[in-house]
Amino acid sequence: DGGITQSPKYLFRKEGQNVTLSCEQNLNHDAMYWYRQDPGQGLRLIYYSQIVNDFQKGDIAEGYSVSREKKESFPLTVTSAQKNPTAFYLCASSILTGTTDTQYFGPGTRLTVL
Amino acid sequence: GDSVTQMEGPVTLSEEAFLTINCTYTATGYPSLFWYVQYPGEGLQLLLKATKADDKGSNKGFEATYRKETTSFHLEKGSVQVSDSAVYFCALRDAGGTSYGKLTFGQGTILTVHP
Repeated sequence: DGGITQSPKYLFRKEGQNVTLSCEQNLNHDAMYWYRQDPGQGLRLIYYSQIVNDFQKGDIAEGYSVSREKKESFPLTVTSAQKNPTAFYLCASSILTGTTDTQYFGPGTRLTVL
Repeated sequence: GDSVTQMEGPVTLSEEAFLTINCTYTATGYPSLFWYVQYPGEGLQLLLKATKADDKGSNKGFEATYRKETTSFHLEKGSVQVSDSAVYFCALRDAGGTSYGKLTFGQGTILTVHP
């Protein structure tokens, strides 16, 4: 089955620690995205990548980092510089970044800072 | 910049009632419009989309028409079921300017359907 997988589903972190969230897709999509969701709000874009070895900051990139070494994988690292990291993180992918291209989402990772 | 405004929730309906969730948008280019649904603890699933003015997207009994003149994309369903209880997000995707094809989301509307 084709799709997007994210792991882990739940993640707990102590303050001051970096954590990495996994995102893998087998849809052969070129573009991948990371969004953050907070209660009662829509999703906000953290980073996106249109092609391997290239990525761009989104609207709220501060305190986050990404890599895109393989087409299938787009891991997100939440660093200790992120002041309020507790949130639900969603990874998405699409064929391209064109206006009509649908973004497909993974099941999400819920990060809680203790 | 681009923005999406959804009607505030939560919305509570009885089974078989008619559903409307309002969505209006502002965009600099010619966006595509989407409705996504999120069930508790899960990611977003595409419900329907429309890519140009007057297009109607439909899926699982839900419909929405892309109205450029009113900049709206209201979601409707004639008879809701308990299984429709979820959070619904309206979103647009605009390739113009610096948007780099990102999705701009509304804040989401919680729908609860009672038997």
